[in-house]
This record gives sequence, C-alpha cells and structure tokens, in this order.
Amino acid sequence: SAVISQKPSRDICQRGTSLTIQCQVDSQVTMMFWYRQQPGQSLTLIATANQGSEATYESGFVIDKFPISRPNLTFSTLTVSNMSPEDSSIYLCSVASRQGYEQYFGPGTRLTVT
Amino acid sequence: GIQVEQSPPDLILQEGANSTLRCNFSDSVNNLQWFHQNPWGQLINLFYIPSGTKQNGRLSATTVATERYSLLYISSSQTTDSGVYFCAVAGRGSTLGRLYFGRGTQLTVWP
Repeated sequence: SAVISQKPSRDICQRGTSLTIQCQVDSQVTMMFWYRQQPGQSLTLIATANQGSEATYESGFVIDKFPISRPNLTFSTLTVSNMSPEDSSIYLCSVASRQGYEQYFGPGTRLTVT
Repeated sequence: GIQVEQSPPDLILQEGANSTLRCNFSDSVNNLQWFHQNPWGQLINLFYIPSGTKQNGRLSATTVATERYSLLYISSSQTTDSGVYFCAVAGRGSTLGRLYFGRGTQLTVWP
C-alpha cells in the first residue's frame, strides 16, 4: 500500500483568493487523481494527473479554475483558484500503481471559503 | 460513466448487530473497492474486490461481477464502525482507471 500525505490538512480562505494543495506519496506511482467531496455528498473526480502529460479534466471542471501540476512520480499539486463559498469541500488525492489496481487516498484537505 | 447505487442510504444498529450493505453497478468493472470514511473525512480502504469473496476480521465482502453487485457484511457491529461506507468502481472499458463512487451508506451504531 502507499502512504500519502496532503498539505494543508485544513484551511479557511477568503473569497477571491487561491489555495494550492500538495499531495506527496512515499513511492513512485503512475496514476494520481484529485477528487472533491462537497458537504454531505459523495466523491467526484476533478482530474487525472499522470506524469509527463497534461492533466485530464472531468466534465464541469476546467484548468483555469483547478490547475494541476505533476512534476514527478511522487508529487502533485492542485490549486483552487478565485475561490467562492461553493468551493468549500474536502479535496482528496488518490494514487494507483496501475489502471485497475487498488487506489489509496490521502487524508484530505478540508477547505472552507468565507 | 458507470452508475453505482448503494443501499440502504442510512442504517441504524445497536452494538452487536449484523448488517449487509449492497452495491449495484451498471457495467463491467476491473476494480471495485469498499471504503469507510471516518468522522475526520479519511477514507479507509476496506476491500479491493473486483470479484470473489474476502474476509478481514468482522468484515467480509463478496462481489458477483457477472451479476454486477457487491455486498459488504459487518458482523457484531461496534460503535467505531459508525461512518459512511462507500463503494467505488472502475470500468473495464475506462482507459484512465478513475473510480466512480456511490452515494454511500451512513451507518450509525449505538451502544
């Protein structure tokens, strides 16, 4: 299994600002994913971040709002830009060594936008 | 994308009771996982079970891939079992390996 850390664990931000969330894995992984969980809801995939290629965004999510970097096989960042209260959610990264293999999730970043 | 339906949406038990959670999915999968989300939001991996049966202590799971459903069994439930249980699948036809999540089952275990 993979050990995943996320920073920050939680934050309270003002409307209109941006926050960058970091995801660090203790081993090299091919596939990394970013999910959002709005209050009381299930998890929704934002984008897939594979090293060496541009992130692939799901319908309803755009690069200008959620830019992602994947500089190497153990690290990724997600930025939530120009935040509004509707962005208040838990943001989680997950990793998989290969497609179809078990995925592991980081502890999440709990974001509140005021 | 794949549709994932979980039932029941809510479950309230007394400590010591047994329960069965169900997950139905709409297409062939190459990954099915059960997670427990604790009150702090952390997703705990329970089972990776695209097919077959597995057991881990008081928990067990069975996936019948040909009939597109999976069951999670919790025996002798404890208050620490409370939380949300999610089923998530990745489609066999997907090239990206992304997981589709159900809406979850909110389990509350009373002492």
